[in-house]
Amino acid sequence: KAGVTQTPRYLIKTRGQQVTLSCSPISGHRSVSWYQQTPGQGLQFLFEYFSETQRNKGNFPGRFSGRQFSNSRSEMNVSTLELGDSALYLCASRDRGIGTDTQYFGPGTRLTVL
Amino acid sequence: AQSVTQPDIHITVSEGASLELRCNYSYGATPYLFWYVQSPGQGLQLLLKYFSGDTLVQGIKGFEAEFKRSQSSFNLRKPSVHWSDAAEYFCAVGARSGGGADGLTFGKGTHLIIQP
Repeated sequence: KAGVTQTPRYLIKTRGQQVTLSCSPISGHRSVSWYQQTPGQGLQFLFEYFSETQRNKGNFPGRFSGRQFSNSRSEMNVSTLELGDSALYLCASRDRGIGTDTQYFGPGTRLTVL
Repeated sequence: AQSVTQPDIHITVSEGASLELRCNYSYGATPYLFWYVQSPGQGLQLLLKYFSGDTLVQGIKGFEAEFKRSQSSFNLRKPSVHWSDAAEYFCAVGARSGGGADGLTFGKGTHLIIQP
């Protein structure tokens, strides 16, 4: 099976702009999670989508949002970008089943906010 | 709330030597436990996972980890490291939430340096 794909791999934006990141999970996986990775805060959970519904959300402001489409592809959006939003954004394809729950990560999107 | 502690920020090991990376977790019950590895500029690759059963789990690239409930630990080991093992290693805990949807909680990571 193909792995998790994320586009674009790199983005440069300026403060105040908005950005949309895309993630395609592993075929057959219906759950997608998003994480932010920064040197200071490490890896932090943003939110998860399952069957087009947000199931859970981490401790991030409302500027961070997402959605999932019927083919399980997911997008996350960050509005009114701040310098502190510069990070590696990782998408994880989640394999849930009886006695198993594993997340497989994509290569990430490196966002730089100037 | 769950938490993960990786006490060692950096570890330097000679090539061919054994390796142990420490991980301690805090969780009210038995969690799901994971080790991931990240090379520079890359995403996270799953090394191994523990859900239940045998407390010694085998993973990819010759890694293994042992779940010790009494010590709330899940240390990662490898008998002989290779230069290609140099990377950042993350321990993570996931909640057994049944039908819930919870994110993973990660440790801060351990940076592994391999000396020739």
